[in-house]
Amino acid sequence: RKEVEQDPGPFNVPEGATVAFNCTYSNSASQSFFWYRQDCRKEPKLLMSVYSSGNEDGRFTAQLNRASQYISLLIRDSKLSDSATYLCVAFTGGGNKLTFGTGTQLKVEL
Amino acid sequence: DTEVTQTPKHLVMGMTNKKSLKCEQHMGHRAMYWYKQKAKKPPELMFVYSYEKLSINESVPSRFSPECPNSSLLNLHLHALQPEDSALYLCASSPPLNNSPLHFGNGTRLTVT
Repeated sequence: RKEVEQDPGPFNVPEGATVAFNCTYSNSASQSFFWYRQDCRKEPKLLMSVYSSGNEDGRFTAQLNRASQYISLLIRDSKLSDSATYLCVAFTGGGNKLTFGTGTQLKVEL
Repeated sequence: DTEVTQTPKHLVMGMTNKKSLKCEQHMGHRAMYWYKQKAKKPPELMFVYSYEKLSINESVPSRFSPECPNSSLLNLHLHALQPEDSALYLCASSPPLNNSPLHFGNGTRLTVT
């Protein structure tokens, strides 16, 4: 089982839709999680940090479920500019080891 | 604009060349990272430096040699690379506290011919 797993998608949604991605992690000791956004041929950019049960920032909401070992990202009122790959990231080991999920591709269409 | 600066942005090198990738940050971060990313794949961790000491080496071939001259700089020396090493090389940094997010540079797109 991979340490961090995501549905690769693509998720094709119309503009204005609400879309949710899930990410599961295998290490129950993981404490911190992050969602990054990556545009084609660009570097990943931090979208949200998830340290406790969840976090909300405008149209974006992240939830953490420790019992089931998954985190989710909800995007409301999708914009064309939200089209990107969303990477789920977890601290999975000692030191400063961050592990990335495979990423979920989102395409928002007119 | 990213606060982690990588140079060069693009690099083409032959298999017998020696080249170096450079990374610089001035955010006071004490952990610095090299990641490798192939197309349509997530970034893969290569090395982690913590307080200028190598703390993680993910079994990277010796043709990749990291160096951390000081707390702001991170280099990746390349020698005798293979065409399959062509990828986007990402540098990142994070604060001294554990469980802090990474800040990525723009990356160096490397092509090995």
